[in-house]
Amino acid sequence: AQSVSQHNHHVILSEAASLELGCNYSYGGTVNLFWYVQYPGQHLQLLLKYFSGDPLVKGIKGFEAEFIKSKFSFNLRKPSVQWSDTAEYFCAVAPFSGGYQKVTFGTGTKLQVIP
Amino acid sequence: AAGVIQSPRHLIKEKRETATLKCYPIPRHDTVYWYQQGPGQDPQFLISFYEKMQSDKGSIPDRFSAQQFSDYHSELNMSSLELGDSALYFCATSPGGRTYEQYFGPGTRLTVT
Repeated sequence: AQSVSQHNHHVILSEAASLELGCNYSYGGTVNLFWYVQYPGQHLQLLLKYFSGDPLVKGIKGFEAEFIKSKFSFNLRKPSVQWSDTAEYFCAVAPFSGGYQKVTFGTGTKLQVIP
Repeated sequence: AAGVIQSPRHLIKEKRETATLKCYPIPRHDTVYWYQQGPGQDPQFLISFYEKMQSDKGSIPDRFSAQQFSDYHSELNMSSLELGDSALYFCATSPGGRTYEQYFGPGTRLTVT
């Protein structure tokens, strides 16, 4: 079974600081990788996803993530955070399989951006 | 664009009562997933359906059951509710096949008193 670990549980940054959230997964086969964001009081929204191809994936709102297969990592980055980025961020992995997928989530990282 | 619809958005029940949560997928999505997110916790996978058949089962209590109907909507039935069942219940849907991303609904907030 796959698992996901997010190393930082709570991150506090000032506006304009750069962000990098760590995500490592364990699974023996090919995977699809995701980052979701949950703004306070809202539902999960997809930020970006990696299926195949270019390991540097660009998502919405200036976020990007890099898939490093040798390190089983899929870290999320943003060069300059804004107060509106305050939210909880979940890394997720799904095995590449036909028909359906089961997504396993990490425990989440709460990001607080201070104006 | 159409999104995943969940109803009701909020539900308050008493202990030992039953509750039914509904999920209506995005058009042409044939796969439905249910998640439970407790306060301050990450979403936990409960159960999924693909083409109206149960495809995977996670940490779903025996008191809960779910099904997917011919129009691909799904219902999560919860009986003998406990205080610990208070949570946000997300439904996600995906088109199955080669695309593997899930689109989440807004969730149903269940409060058990």
